[in-house]
Amino acid sequence: LAKTTQPISMDSYEGQEVNITCSHNNIATNDYITWYQQFPSQGPRFIIQGYKTKVTNEVASLFIPADRKSSTLSLPRVSLSDTAVYYCLVGDPSGGYNKLIFGAGTRLAVHP
Amino acid sequence: GAVVSQHPSRVICKSGTSVKIECRSLDFQATTMFWYRQFPKQSLMLMATSNEGSKATYEQGVEKDKFLINHASLTLSTLTVTSAHPEDSSFYICSAMRRGSSNTGELFFGEGSRLTVL
Repeated sequence: LAKTTQPISMDSYEGQEVNITCSHNNIATNDYITWYQQFPSQGPRFIIQGYKTKVTNEVASLFIPADRKSSTLSLPRVSLSDTAVYYCLVGDPSGGYNKLIFGAGTRLAVHP
Repeated sequence: GAVVSQHPSRVICKSGTSVKIECRSLDFQATTMFWYRQFPKQSLMLMATSNEGSKATYEQGVEKDKFLINHASLTLSTLTVTSAHPEDSSFYICSAMRRGSSNTGELFFGEGSRLTVL
């Protein structure tokens, strides 16, 4: 099982760029890296997914080095509403994400 | 976009009763759904994998006779907490996978169901 390690918490201020790094040393060849955001009393929400190099969408960028043993979620110009818990997960979508395990996540607090 | 819906969002029940939580994929078919439990300030803990037309696969330590899972159709999985006790009070979340065109897949999560057992 690919285990992930993230910082427990991070603090930032409105308008800043936030980078959250996740370690996944045992990532398998077919695994993709996916990041989710969770607000209190809500289900996680998909942010971004990637396999290698860089992926960008309207809300975030995901940087994955060549060895894929880590990944970095980049949130540009955060706002107060980005205060949430962020989880990175690794899994093989072609295999049905069997045994998809959540790590502790990173609790991001954005301050005025 | 894809939506996964859970019902009810909140439920309060008496100790000893059973509670059923539904998870529906509203605009896609999901052969596999997952059930998680989350306690306050903690991460999601995978309870079981629900497979359409077959028995669910439970994680170690999760009692299959207490947490009954039925995945009768490609859009519906149900979790029944039988003989609920106060320690079963938690936030239960389901997820369903929608396969992408390149064999990638996104996991979509329901809104969660908060169970309180008195």
